[in-house]
Amino acid sequence: DQQVKQNSPSLSVQEGRISILNCDYTNSMFDYFLWYKKYPAEGPTFLISISSIKDKNEDGRFTVFLNKSAKHLSLHIVPSQPGDSAVYFCAASSMDSNYQLIWGAGTKLIIKP
Amino acid sequence: EAGVTQFPSHSVIEKGQTVTLRCDPISGHDNLYWYRRVMGKEIKFLLHFVKESKQDESGMPNNRFLAERTGGTYSTLKVQPAELEDSGVYFCASSHDPQGEQYFGPGTRLTVT
Repeated sequence: DQQVKQNSPSLSVQEGRISILNCDYTNSMFDYFLWYKKYPAEGPTFLISISSIKDKNEDGRFTVFLNKSAKHLSLHIVPSQPGDSAVYFCAASSMDSNYQLIWGAGTKLIIKP
Repeated sequence: EAGVTQFPSHSVIEKGQTVTLRCDPISGHDNLYWYRRVMGKEIKFLLHFVKESKQDESGMPNNRFLAERTGGTYSTLKVQPAELEDSGVYFCASSHDPQGEQYFGPGTRLTVT
């Protein structure tokens, strides 16, 4: 049973517009959430994270929102750029499981020029 | 600073053969992780070393997989004997502390035929 779900396998967005990637989780013990970005033939690269004590974290064009009651987080990229085309993974962890990362299946983001 | 490196980048072996994957973490990172991604699915945790000790090996699929990190530097993951379902991309990551950002290697693509 998947504890972290990314229900959209792919997403296509026009360059300059906002990209919104979604992630749902089932384990209420998760207290730390991360987004990773992956290009083909490369390993995932850390993008941004958020602790469960916050509901928003921003870093440049990237903002992560956390809704604990809905067990939902989202990554907003604005404005979207061609270099943002990649697979985005959501991951979650909890202190009581030694911060073992539980991953979603990824969403492939395609930025159209 | 050199990143996480993995060797080989690709390996094609027959069912029943043995394969050993190697990971060199970022120098000074005590935490080393192995993950596996089967085609198009989520990245799954295999195990976590702290220095030379196995902190968490709850994700190891079965006893055909053996991971070592002698001396607390590089790590090897041996699959013996390999089965068809072992095919996938094996990622290694390292971090300075368990909750911190994990830096990933490019992965080893293993194909068992």
